[in-house]
Amino acid sequence: EAQVTQNPRYLITVTGKKLTVTCSQNMNHEYMSWYRQDPGLGLRQIYYSMNVEVTDKGDVPEGYKVSRKEKRNFPLILESPSPNQTSLYFCASSQTGVGSEKLFFGSGTQLSVL
Amino acid sequence: QKEVEQDPGPLSVPEGAIVSLNCTYSNSAFQYFMWYRQYSRKGPELLMYTYSSGNKEDGRFTAQVDKSSKYISLFIRDSQPSDSATYLCAMNSNSGYALNFGKGTSLLVTP
Repeated sequence: EAQVTQNPRYLITVTGKKLTVTCSQNMNHEYMSWYRQDPGLGLRQIYYSMNVEVTDKGDVPEGYKVSRKEKRNFPLILESPSPNQTSLYFCASSQTGVGSEKLFFGSGTQLSVL
Repeated sequence: QKEVEQDPGPLSVPEGAIVSLNCTYSNSAFQYFMWYRQYSRKGPELLMYTYSSGNKEDGRFTAQVDKSSKYISLFIRDSQPSDSATYLCAMNSNSGYALNFGKGTSLLVTP
């Protein structure tokens, strides 16, 4: 089954404790992206990657890191999480990321930073 | 001004009603217009896609794009309780690497 898998589904942590949210897709997609979704603000792009070793900033990259060492994986790293990073996070992928491409989303990671 | 504007609702309608959801946008370079549906605690899923202006119908759903007014709509006929979800409009240009999403409209269809 074609899917984007995120882990963990729920995460509670404390300020400053480094964490990684994993994302994996099984569709051989070149394009992968991370979004955060907040009430009243909608979906905002954090980072995206057009291929292995190619990443670029989205609208809200501050406080986040990503890496794309393999085509299927695109982890999101918070090196020193802060409470304003409490949010619902989605990983998404598509074939090339351009134009009319359908984005496939993961089920989301609800992060709470205390 | 945000590039894509969408009324967040919530919108509550009785079962069987016709629902109209709308978005406006400011970037005339947008060519691809999409509607995603997001159920509670799930990721968004593509519902409808339209290229440039015109209408597209798929079962109970109709997507309309009016590029001259920079306005897109999604109509749901004979709405069902299972249609209760958040509907996000999204749009992109030919070269854009990021879909531009509206904030989403929350819809509740009551039996």
